[in-house]
Amino acid sequence: NAGVTQTPKFRVLKTGQSMTLLCAQDMNHEYMYWYRQDPGMGLRLIHYSVGEGTTAKGEVPDGYNVSRLKKQNFLLGLESAAPSQTSVYFCASKETANYGYTFGSGTRLTVV
Amino acid sequence: GQQVMQIPQYQHVQEGEDFTTYCNSSTTLSNIQWYKQRPGGHPVFLIQLVKSGEVKKQKRLTFQFGEAKKNSSLHITATQTTDVGTYFCAGNTNAGKSTFGDGTTLTVKP
Repeated sequence: NAGVTQTPKFRVLKTGQSMTLLCAQDMNHEYMYWYRQDPGMGLRLIHYSVGEGTTAKGEVPDGYNVSRLKKQNFLLGLESAAPSQTSVYFCASKETANYGYTFGSGTRLTVV
Repeated sequence: GQQVMQIPQYQHVQEGEDFTTYCNSSTTLSNIQWYKQRPGGHPVFLIQLVKSGEVKKQKRLTFQFGEAKKNSSLHITATQTTDVGTYFCAGNTNAGKSTFGDGTTLTVKP
């Protein structure tokens, strides 16, 4: 049982480049989330999904897009990367809204 | 919007000393969750508190939920080097929204 798997684990982008972060969960969870973590700022919600085919904006959605075409996958896209998007990105899933999060191991993204 | 404040931001203790982190919400919560993140790792779910005044224990860790369901604490008795990391609370409302505190980073000196 792999839980939540994120790819890639590390990435360096140049300003203006695009990329997609992949998140896959094998627990049949309905809810999936993308967070970013910056030093001293805790976890900030970017986008989330309450089920296949649905997405919603979180606290800091600007510059990101997401898709949930399949229940087990949640993709985070950066269309034109900026240095301010340098961060650690965590994907998480929940069985229902009132359960605890299961986090992936994170993607460390640097934009130069 | 909902705010969750967590204090202190950092705590340095000698091994064997106790440690407490506090979480305060601006709104009444339906439940609160606690997570631990080891250095370089990802947050790992520890526990969820739901009832007013609830107290739960996990070995040396004691979790409390306030009577008004707006605050919570995590207390570690006799810290060990394995306790190092950042402890986060996440406050959840009836609407299903979660707000994370900024975390308390614990370092333990052997």
